[in-house]
Amino acid sequence: AQSVTQLGSHVSVSEGALVLLRCNYSSSVPPYLFWYVQYPNQGLQLLLKYTSAATLVKGINGFEAEFKKSETSFHLTKPSAHMSDAAEYFCAVSPATGGFKTIFGAGTRLFVKA
Amino acid sequence: NAGVTQTPKFQVLKTGQSMTLQCAQDMNHEYMSWYRQDPGMGLRLIHYSVGAGITDQGEVPNGYNVSRSTTEDFPLRLLSAAPSQTSVYFCASKLTAGGPTGEQYFGPGTRLTVT
Repeated sequence: AQSVTQLGSHVSVSEGALVLLRCNYSSSVPPYLFWYVQYPNQGLQLLLKYTSAATLVKGINGFEAEFKKSETSFHLTKPSAHMSDAAEYFCAVSPATGGFKTIFGAGTRLFVKA
Repeated sequence: NAGVTQTPKFQVLKTGQSMTLQCAQDMNHEYMSWYRQDPGMGLRLIHYSVGAGITDQGEVPNGYNVSRSTTEDFPLRLLSAAPSQTSVYFCASKLTAGGPTGEQYFGPGTRLTVT
């Protein structure tokens, strides 16, 4: 069975600082991995996805993530935080073969201090 | 395209009442799903469908029913509402059930309160 663990329910950074949001997955076969962002009172929108091509994936708004099979990780980074990045971020996993379900992590709320 | 639409946006129910949350997509997506979002628990999959006439259970299916009679619509029925079903409900769709086009498109959500 698949699962996703996001380390840290809340992360606080200063504006201009590095953003690092951690995601580890468990899957019996190499999965597809996603990061979604949710702004207050809105639905989720895709930031980026890994679908077994390049291991370093670039997304919207300057975010990127690196798939590390040996560490079963897919951490999200951004070199310089903006106030507008304050939101909740979700890591998700879906099977590349043998299934359809997309499972989400519990989410990490990012706070950006001026 | 309107994308994924959900109605209503807000709903208050009394314990024991039933209702249907509506979800529609106009992108001809094969896969549709329902999630509930609760604080600290992320999104949990309730039910999903890989095509018209085909549905299956997710992680938390109890107390909910679904059907998929058309590609466009995927309603979620609460049979007898309970306070534990107070949550924000999201409908999502993606082009195909499997494969690399795995990105889901989400509706704006329905905030449900059961008293």
